[in-house]
Amino acid sequence: QVHLVQSGTEVRKPGASVKVSCKATGNRITTIYWVRQAPGQWLEWMGWISVANGDTKYSQKIQGRVTMTRDTAASTMYMELSSLRSEDTGVYYCATWAETDAFDIWGQGTTVIVSS
Amino acid sequence: QSVLTQPPSVSGAPGQRVTISCTGSSSNIGGNYDVHWYQQVPGTAPKLLIYGNTNRPSGVPDRFSASKSGSSASLAITGLQAEDEADYYCQSYDSSLSFVFGSGTKVIVL
Repeated sequence: QVHLVQSGTEVRKPGASVKVSCKATGNRITTIYWVRQAPGQWLEWMGWISVANGDTKYSQKIQGRVTMTRDTAASTMYMELSSLRSEDTGVYYCATWAETDAFDIWGQGTTVIVSS
Repeated sequence: QSVLTQPPSVSGAPGQRVTISCTGSSSNIGGNYDVHWYQQVPGTAPKLLIYGNTNRPSGVPDRFSASKSGSSASLAITGLQAEDEADYYCQSYDSSLSFVFGSGTKVIVL
C-alpha cells in the first residue's frame, strides 16, 4: 500500500518562494501529482512529475512559477512555487494513482500561507 | 471558474436519495474522458469515491453510484447518512487544460 507524507505548514511573504515535500512509502509509484485548494474553493491541478525520469508537466496557470523535482534515493518529491501571491494561500496536496487511473492515494496536505 | 460545473449544494433527509450533477464540454467529459468522484470532509484530504465513471474502490459503500452521459456525469447517494455530509468533486481530463476538477457540491444531511 502506498502512503504519502507531506511537510508541515509554511508561512511566506509575498514575492517569496516555498518548497513542499512529499515522501512516498510502500509500493513503487510512477507519477506524483500536485493539487491545491484555496480556502473555500475547489481543487486545482498544478502538475505532475514522473518518478522514474523526472519528466514534468505543469498547469498553464502557474507555468513559469512552479518547479517539481524528485530525490529518488529519498523517495521524496518536491513542489516549489515562486513569486508567491496572496492567492497562492491554501492547502497543497500530493497524490498518485496506485490501483486505479484516478487520484486514489493522497498526502495529508500542506498549508501554505502567503501574508505580509 | 471551474471547467466542470456542479451545483453548490444539495440536501436530503437521512435515508433519502440525492444526486449531484457534473457538466462539462466536448473537450473533457464529452471527449470520452473518464469521470472520477471524490469525497472531502472539511479539513481532510479528498478520498476517491468513484473511478472510471462507474467503479467503486474497495471499501466504498454501494450506496454510492455514478453514471456518465454525453458531456455530463452524475453521482447518486442512496440511503443518505449523516456521515455523508461532505463536499463532493467530479474530476476528468481536458484536452486543453489537462486534469480538471468540478466546482464542488456540499451535501447537507437535514
